[in-house]
Amino acid sequence: LAKTTQPISMDSYEGQEVNITCSHNNIATNDYITWYQQFPSQGPRFIIQGYKTKVTNEVASLFIPADRKSSTLSLPRVSLSDTAVYYCLCNNNDMRFGAGTRLTVKP
Amino acid sequence: DAGVIQSPRHEVTEMGQEVTLRCKPISGHDYLFWYRQTMMRGLELLIYFNNNVPIDDSGMPEDRFSAKMPNASFSTLKIQPSEPRDSAVYFCASSLVLRDLDTEAFFGQGTRLTVV
Repeated sequence: LAKTTQPISMDSYEGQEVNITCSHNNIATNDYITWYQQFPSQGPRFIIQGYKTKVTNEVASLFIPADRKSSTLSLPRVSLSDTAVYYCLCNNNDMRFGAGTRLTVKP
Repeated sequence: DAGVIQSPRHEVTEMGQEVTLRCKPISGHDYLFWYRQTMMRGLELLIYFNNNVPIDDSGMPEDRFSAKMPNASFSTLKIQPSEPRDSAVYFCASSLVLRDLDTEAFFGQGTRLTVV
């Protein structure tokens, strides 16, 4: 099972772009990379998923290099409401969450 | 669909009592997951089911914990007897698939359990 490593916490300011990188050195060939967001007192919520290159949706972008040993979640122009914990998963056969990255957006 | 529905939302019980947490997954989803979240241990996967069959229960902490899925629309997580260290938020989640692209797990609102 691919283990993921993320920074424990990050701080940002409103309007900035935030990039959170996740390392998954032993990702399997058939693993997808998925990111979830969790607000206090709520369950995690799916943000974005990809296999390689770049994926973009209305919420975020996901950058995956050719070797797939890492991935970067990019949040454009964050607001205070983006303060949350962000989890990276390599989940082809597993739904185990790591410690996640606690993002704090300041005014 | 109303999403994943968990009950109760809050439960306070005394040590030694039996506690039953309930979950209704999204209709048509083949996978159901139970998680426990605490500040110290984060979000832990306890057990998951595929088509009502338990697939991996390696995260269940001990024999006091048991989970069942008698049909596709209902699952329970039972703790008997409960202990103060079981105090946590318990989440249930369901997903349509597990291995393909567009796998998305939907989480319920959680049950906050306090054992005193």
